[in-house]
Amino acid sequence: NAGVTQTPKFQVLKTGQSMTLQCAQDMNHNSMYWYRQDPGMGLRLIYYSASEGTTDKGEVPNGYNVSRLNKREFSLRLESAAPSQTSVYFCASSEANRDRNFGPGTRLTVT
Amino acid sequence: AQSVTQPDIHITVSEGASLELRCNYSYGATPYLFWYVQSPGQGLQLLLKYFSGDTLVQGIKGFEAEFKRSQSSFNLRKPSVHWSDAAEYFCAVGRMDSSYKLIFGSGTRLLVRP
Repeated sequence: NAGVTQTPKFQVLKTGQSMTLQCAQDMNHNSMYWYRQDPGMGLRLIYYSASEGTTDKGEVPNGYNVSRLNKREFSLRLESAAPSQTSVYFCASSEANRDRNFGPGTRLTVT
Repeated sequence: AQSVTQPDIHITVSEGASLELRCNYSYGATPYLFWYVQSPGQGLQLLLKYFSGDTLVQGIKGFEAEFKRSQSSFNLRKPSVHWSDAAEYFCAVGRMDSSYKLIFGSGTRLLVRP
């Protein structure tokens, strides 16, 4: 089992460009999450999907959109990237509201 | 509002010494509590978790944590640190109701002296 996988691992964007971060899990979990990690701030929840077909905002949703494509996949889209979105992005999954299983992360730089 | 405080940004210990990482939370209900570890350039790995029952929880890699409701704390301990334990450690608190929000502390970076 691969667990939670994320693509790409690294990305550099110019301000105003768009991109989609992909996430997939093979643990048959119902819930999936997107977090961002910034130095000294821990992880902050961007969006989550409690189950297939539902998505909800987390603490820092502005500038992002998500799609729960099916039970396995949960993508995060930046429509118009800004330097403030330079961060490391982690996808995670869980069975209901239990411990999160994290992917390896995507390091995004916006210039 | 929920909050998690890890008061130590950095901690340095000698290999073989004991370790305690502090975590305090602010919460109005019975919490779920977690400790995660992150090695450089990696994702987060679950060390241990507390949902209910025995307040002393054993985890992987020889770690344990104790839930003290009266002190709103969930400190992580290890009796003898190995060089491979050098990493960043995150405490997190969640709710036992239907909310899916897990609040993370800002992390403690552990350095191990040979």
